Amino acid sequence: GQNIDQPTEMTATEGAIVQINCTYQTSGFNGLFWYQQHAGEAPTFLSYNVLDGLEEKGRFSSFLSRSKGYSYLLLKELQMKDSASYLCAVISGSARQLTFGSGTQLTVLP
Amino acid sequence: DAGITQSPRHKVTETGTPVTLRCHQTENHRYMYWYRQDPGHGLRLIHYSYGVKDTDKGEVSDGYSVSRSKTEDFLLTLESATSSQTSVYFCAISESTTSGRVDEQFFGPGTRLTVL
Repeated sequence: GQNIDQPTEMTATEGAIVQINCTYQTSGFNGLFWYQQHAGEAPTFLSYNVLDGLEEKGRFSSFLSRSKGYSYLLLKELQMKDSASYLCAVISGSARQLTFGSGTQLTVLP
Repeated sequence: DAGITQSPRHKVTETGTPVTLRCHQTENHRYMYWYRQDPGHGLRLIHYSYGVKDTDKGEVSDGYSVSRSKTEDFLLTLESATSSQTSVYFCAISESTTSGRVDEQFFGPGTRLTVL
């Protein structure tokens, strides 16, 4: 089975840095995705990790430790538009099925 | 943006009626997926397809069936809708590659279904 845990809610201040953690226990692992979802909209792709280490993409970075079943998403220089739900998802299976965590609702305050 | 559309975007129906949701893609991607999203549960996989006429069950497939007769269309059917199937339904697509990298899934805009 699959079990993915991430905090339900986080709050941070505009301009700050925030780290959203994700832990997973899965049978079969082909990589981990982070998606962003604004209220009432579809999820959009942020990052993908398959090997251990840090992947950086602009203000967003994602880290993976496969031995610990752990990932985090780091958001720098927070902006108000970063207020959204952040979804951690593990990919497995021959059809690349995704199993999602319940999402972390991030609120950025002025 | 990936070319994915879903129809209808909103639907209200009554318990016991059949409902079909349509996902249409213009990207010629091999894989298609149906998810439902509910508060506190995140996105859960209902069914997926890995080619025309090739489908399989996901985590929450009870009460749902799917069909894929063409690459571009993936239909989700609720044979007899129940109130527990009130949800937001998302379709997603992805492509296989030979590079070893797993392509991300692109999501459609969603369908909000209410079963009274």
